Amino acid sequence: AQSVTQPDIHITVSEGASLELRCNYSYGATPYLFWYVQSPGQGLQLLLKYFSGDTLVQGIKGFEAEFKRSQSSFNLRKPSVHWSDAAEYFCAVGEAGNTPLVFGKGTRLSVIA
Amino acid sequence: DVKVTQSSRYLVKRTGEKVFLECVQDMDHENMFWYRQDPGLGLRLIYFSYDVKMKEKGDIPEGYSVSREKKERFSLILESASTNQTSMYLCASSYTGSYGYTFGSGTRLTVV
Repeated sequence: AQSVTQPDIHITVSEGASLELRCNYSYGATPYLFWYVQSPGQGLQLLLKYFSGDTLVQGIKGFEAEFKRSQSSFNLRKPSVHWSDAAEYFCAVGEAGNTPLVFGKGTRLSVIA
Repeated sequence: DVKVTQSSRYLVKRTGEKVFLECVQDMDHENMFWYRQDPGLGLRLIYFSYDVKMKEKGDIPEGYSVSREKKERFSLILESASTNQTSMYLCASSYTGSYGYTFGSGTRLTVV
């Protein structure tokens, strides 16, 4: 069965600093990988997704993620964090055939001045 | 703007009540999903549907049922609400073969 691990429950970064959120997955074949963001009191918004091809994918709001098959990872990065990036971030994995996504437990990001 | 609309943002119900959570999407999506979100547990899949009148159990279906009589509407039913069903409930939808899930804003249900 697929699974997703987000090792960091909570991360605090300074505004302007770089950010990396970790995601590891367990899946036999090539997975479909996603990052979603949830602002307080809101639903989830898709940041970016990887299906195949270039392993570095660009998303909205200046985020990018890199698929590393050898490490079973799909880490999310941003070069300079803004206060508005404070939110909860979820990594998710899916597979071909339209099965539902499996989500990680999330990483809460706090941004300090 | 495309939308998934959940009928209530906040709901307070009593133990033993039958509770209906409604979700409507205006994107003609085939697939609809119900997740619950709890601190430290992330999103857990309750039920999903790939077509009208079709439903599949997710990882935690106990205590819940669903109804999908029309393509745009997917209802989650708590047959007899219990305090351990106090949670945030999120509805999502997508096209078949696409993983661009669109989520509703969620319903925060409190069972007292």
